[in-house]
Amino acid sequence: GQQLNQSPQSMFIQEGEDVSMNCTSSSIFNTWLWYKQDPGEGPVLLIALYKAGELTSNGRLTAQFGITRKDSFLNISASIPSDVGIYFCAGQRSAGNTPLVFGKGTRLSVIA
Amino acid sequence: GAVVSQHPSRVICKSGTSVKIECRSLDFQATTMFWYRQFPKKSLMLMATSNEGSKATYEQGVEKDKFLINHASLTLSTLTVTSAHPEDSSFYICSAPPGGGIAKNIQYFGAGTRLSVL
Repeated sequence: GQQLNQSPQSMFIQEGEDVSMNCTSSSIFNTWLWYKQDPGEGPVLLIALYKAGELTSNGRLTAQFGITRKDSFLNISASIPSDVGIYFCAGQRSAGNTPLVFGKGTRLSVIA
Repeated sequence: GAVVSQHPSRVICKSGTSVKIECRSLDFQATTMFWYRQFPKKSLMLMATSNEGSKATYEQGVEKDKFLINHASLTLSTLTVTSAHPEDSSFYICSAPPGGGIAKNIQYFGAGTRLSVL
């Protein structure tokens, strides 16, 4: 099935640094979601974006819904060791009872 | 946020046995739930859409006789891996949209089930 183009695939950063990752698509989405997955766990919802241009924050996390509705980015400020994990973007085209389209994930490693 | 409970978290079974995985929405009703499979260091791969009171919709390449889905109530969907073989070993995850209002496009995930077939 379709997947979103998510980059970078992996990142190694120093504790305290800011992180940025993004997702792009060739088609329009009505909702963009960002999830974090820890090893052996299911994805946990971080931020949900519903409108083009929307900028939403959740603590040190900030995400934006691209104005073209074909892209989204996630920023993490002042990274800490517990930010380690895999971050997935997901797009939803229509109603909630349709499947999400996922990016391939960004694996974040934080060096203390 | 809404809670989706998945059980068991880990199961080890012998080849040829069947394994049932449960996915429950604890504080909302879900007419639809989704089942995913995830290989190591890979993204989630949609297996099927579970529909309450009707047949599941399977993605191309997923054997419906192998992966039986039952969505008998508004809060429970089950995935049964029948006659499991080592190649079925994987991480299985369910999700459900809580529905209603602006949150209708959100999906919450269970914690996943690690299946190991010996």
